[in-house]
Amino acid sequence: DAKTTQPPSMDCAEGRAANLPCNHSTISGNEYVYWYRQIHSQGPQYIIHGLKNNETNEMASLIITEDRKSSTLILPHATLRDTAVYYCIVRVDGNKLVFGAGTILRVKS
Amino acid sequence: NAGVMQNPRHLVRRRGQEARLRCSPMKGHSHVYWYRQLPEEGLKFMVYLQKENIIDESGMPKERFSAEFPKEGPSILRIQQVVRGDSAAYFCASSLLFGLHTGELFFGEGSRLTVL
Repeated sequence: DAKTTQPPSMDCAEGRAANLPCNHSTISGNEYVYWYRQIHSQGPQYIIHGLKNNETNEMASLIITEDRKSSTLILPHATLRDTAVYYCIVRVDGNKLVFGAGTILRVKS
Repeated sequence: NAGVMQNPRHLVRRRGQEARLRCSPMKGHSHVYWYRQLPEEGLKFMVYLQKENIIDESGMPKERFSAEFPKEGPSILRIQQVVRGDSAAYFCASSLLFGLHTGELFFGEGSRLTVL
C-alpha cells in the first residue's frame, strides 16, 4: 500500500507561489496521485490528480518526479482563502480514498 | 446543478437516541461514500455504496451503525443508541463513474452530530 509523507504545516506569503511537497516512495505503477484540500469546517475539495505527467488546471499545477516517488502541488498565487489542510493521496484501496494528516497551509498577508 | 446535499447540517442528540443523516448525491451520481471526522482529526472512510448495494463497509463500526442507498431517495447513515464518542462531522461524497480514476469525489458540507 502506497503511503504519503507530508510536512505538518507550511507558511506562504500572500501572492507568492505555495509549493506543497509529498513523498510517496512506495507508489505502484497504476496508482494515481490526488490532491484535495479542506478549508476549515467545510467538505474536502478536489484540486487535481495525475499519474506520471505534470498536470495543470485552473486551481493548481501538479509536478510528479520521473521516478514517481514524490510530487509537488503548486498554487501559483496564493491568497488568504487558500489557507486550508492539503491532502496528498496515492492509496486507492478498492474504491475509497484514504486521507492522511495532510499539510496545514497558512497564507499570510 | 446542485452539489452533494447533506442534511441536517447540525444535529444534537442525547445519549441513547438515534441519529439519521441524509445525503443526496449529485445528479446522475450513483456512487456514495461516507467519511467521519472526529474533532481535530483526519477523515476516516466508513462505507461505500452504490444504488441498493453496500460495496465496502470496512470502515463502519460493527455495532449501531448502518448505511443504505435505496433505489429512490437519498443515502442514509443511521446511528443507533448514540454515545458521546459519536460526536463528529460526517461527510458524504459522490462520484459519477465506477472506481476513482476520474480523480474526483464531490463532497458535501457535512453533518455535525453532537451527542449530549
